[in-house]
Amino acid sequence: SQELEQSPQSLIVQEGKNLTINCTSSKTLYGLYWYKQKYGEGLIFLMMLQKGGEEKSHEKITAKLDEKKQQSSLHITASQPSHAGIYLCGVGNSGYALNFGKGTSLLVTP
Amino acid sequence: EAGVTQFPSHSVIEKGQTVTLRCDPISGHDNLYWYRRVMGKEIKFLLHFVKESKQDESGMPNNRFLAERTGGTYSTLKVQPAELEDSGVYFCASSPQGGTQYFGPGTRLTVL
Repeated sequence: SQELEQSPQSLIVQEGKNLTINCTSSKTLYGLYWYKQKYGEGLIFLMMLQKGGEEKSHEKITAKLDEKKQQSSLHITASQPSHAGIYLCGVGNSGYALNFGKGTSLLVTP
Repeated sequence: EAGVTQFPSHSVIEKGQTVTLRCDPISGHDNLYWYRRVMGKEIKFLLHFVKESKQDESGMPNNRFLAERTGGTYSTLKVQPAELEDSGVYFCASSPQGGTQYFGPGTRLTVL
């Protein structure tokens, strides 16, 4: 099965700073999902990238898919406390099941 | 539109007891999924329903886990008898055909 490795595992940034989270796949990426989990809550869908080179934005969050590097990056501009949570990347397995990385825990300090 | 709901939000039981988790998908979503996150590990797929039929149950850990989706609406996941290693957060997700999966808030299960 396709494995996803996320880096860093955890991140503490000061409010207003930019940050990047990476998700690297063990196999070719044909599409990738980004979800966010607020502490103690469910997963919130952020965006899906379907093609190499595709870039999508949602508010201050931008994600890009680099097919050649088998990697996706998620960039947050001018971070806010509301951005805190666990960011998860996921790929579709055979069928409809999603495989997830372990997640990146983000804390934004005042 | 109501999202995916799960009940209970927390459950604490003793080893050997039975627990039943419930998931109500988004109305109209034929696809329903169960996932589990054990502490320190990534979220793992358990099984997938299309309407009332089990499409893929390759992730079910063993025969102590039984999932049902009678009538193709809500689903239950029963663990009987529960073991210590079953502790974790159980997520349910639903999706329309070929669409994005939307997750519920999860049920935190603690087996003592």
